[in-house]
Amino acid sequence: AQSVTQLGSHVSVSEGALVLLRCNYSSSVPPYLFWYVQYPNQGLQLLLKYTSAATLVKGINGFEAEFKKSETSFHLTKPSAHMSDAAEYFCAVRGYSSASKIIFGSGTRLSIRP
Amino acid sequence: GAGVSQSPRYKVAKRGQDVALRCDPISGHVSLFWYQQALGQGPEFLTYFQNEAQLDKSGLPSDRFFAERPEGSVSTLKIQRTQQEDSAVYLCASSLGAPTGTGSNGYTFGSGTRLTVV
Repeated sequence: AQSVTQLGSHVSVSEGALVLLRCNYSSSVPPYLFWYVQYPNQGLQLLLKYTSAATLVKGINGFEAEFKKSETSFHLTKPSAHMSDAAEYFCAVRGYSSASKIIFGSGTRLSIRP
Repeated sequence: GAGVSQSPRYKVAKRGQDVALRCDPISGHVSLFWYQQALGQGPEFLTYFQNEAQLDKSGLPSDRFFAERPEGSVSTLKIQRTQQEDSAVYLCASSLGAPTGTGSNGYTFGSGTRLTVV
């Protein structure tokens, strides 16, 4: 069964600092991978997705993620944090089969210090 | 519509009460999903519809949970005899295509219904 593990339930960085949110997946074949963001009292918004077209994926709001098969990782980064980036971030995985649904990690709360 | 709409936004139910949560997916979206998100957790899959057919209900936690999508558009998640452990945010999501060939697509989520059972 596919799954994702997010390392660190809470990450705090200073405004302007690098953001790094870690995600490792478990899958027998490279799956489809996603990062979603959730602001308070809102639904989930897709940040970016990996579909095997390119290992470095650029998303919205300056975020990007790199698929590393050798490390089974899909970490999310942003060079310079902004106060508006404070939110909950979820890594997610989906397989190829028609029966596959998106499976989410437990989430990482990102706080930004002024 | 422009997005996935869920109602009510908030629901408080007394333990033992039945509740019904509504989801209006994006017009024309074939696939519809329900997720349950407990406080501080990631969303957990409940069930999936392709048009009116419920193809996967493996995530429904008990037979008190029932979902339907009779005309392939609006869906209702019903919880009978609510318990305190049912307190969570219930998220609905939709996707344009059927699963085959669209595995790379993410879903569009609604804002959710926050259910509190007291």
